[in-house]
Amino acid sequence: GQSLEQPSEVTAVEGAIVQINCTYQTSGFYGLSWYQQHDGGAPTFLSYNGLDGLEETGRFSSFLSRSDSYGYLLLQELQMKDSASYFCAARRRNNKFYFGSGTKLNVKP
Amino acid sequence: SQTIHQWPATLVQPVGSPLSLECTVEGTSNPNLYWYRQAAGRGLQLLFYSVGIGQISSEVPQNLSASRPQDRQFILSSKKLLLSDSGFYLCAWIDISSSSGNTIYFGEGSWLTVV
Repeated sequence: GQSLEQPSEVTAVEGAIVQINCTYQTSGFYGLSWYQQHDGGAPTFLSYNGLDGLEETGRFSSFLSRSDSYGYLLLQELQMKDSASYFCAARRRNNKFYFGSGTKLNVKP
Repeated sequence: SQTIHQWPATLVQPVGSPLSLECTVEGTSNPNLYWYRQAAGRGLQLLFYSVGIGQISSEVPQNLSASRPQDRQFILSSKKLLLSDSGFYLCAWIDISSSSGNTIYFGEGSWLTVV
C-alpha cells in the first residue's frame, strides 16, 4: 500500500521559517513532490525531489532522504499569503501520485 | 501553453442520481490523466489513472467509473450516487515526456454535494 504522514497543522509568525515533514511508505517510489492549496482552490506545484538532497526555489526548499523515507518542505521569510494547506505526494515509477493528508499552515502577524 | 478545464464547477445531486464530470486538456498530446477526490479538510485520494485512450486504472473499488474516449478528454461517471460521494473532484495531468514531467497540473475542480 501507500501511506504518507505529515503533521495536521503548523502555526508560525510572519518572517519566520517553518519546516513541514513528510514520511512515506510507497512501493516503487520514484520521487517526492510538494503542493500548496488555498481554501477552495486547486493544488499548485511547489517542488519536486527525484534525488536525495535539497532543492531550492526562491523562499521554498524541499529535501529528500530515500534511505530514511523522509522529506520536508522548508518555507522561509513567511508571509501571510503562505497560509494554506501543504501536501506531500509520492510518485511511483508507474507515474501514479499519492498524496498525504495535508498540513494546514497558519501564519500569524 | 497547456490548459486544463473541468466542468461543472459545482453541482448538487440527489442520492441515486447519475453523475458525469468532464475534463479536457489543451496544448499537449498523450498526457497522463488523473481523477482525484478530496473530502472536506482532507487529502487527495487517487481514483483513476489513464495513460491513453481507453486505458483506465482504478484505484479504489467504488460506484464510480472513468472513461477516456479521446486523447485529451477524461470523464468521471456514476450510475447511482451515494452520500459518501460528496467532495471536491479534481482532474489532473502530466506530460511525462517533457521537462516538466514531474509536475501535476490540476483543473479548477468540481464541488459535488449529494443530498
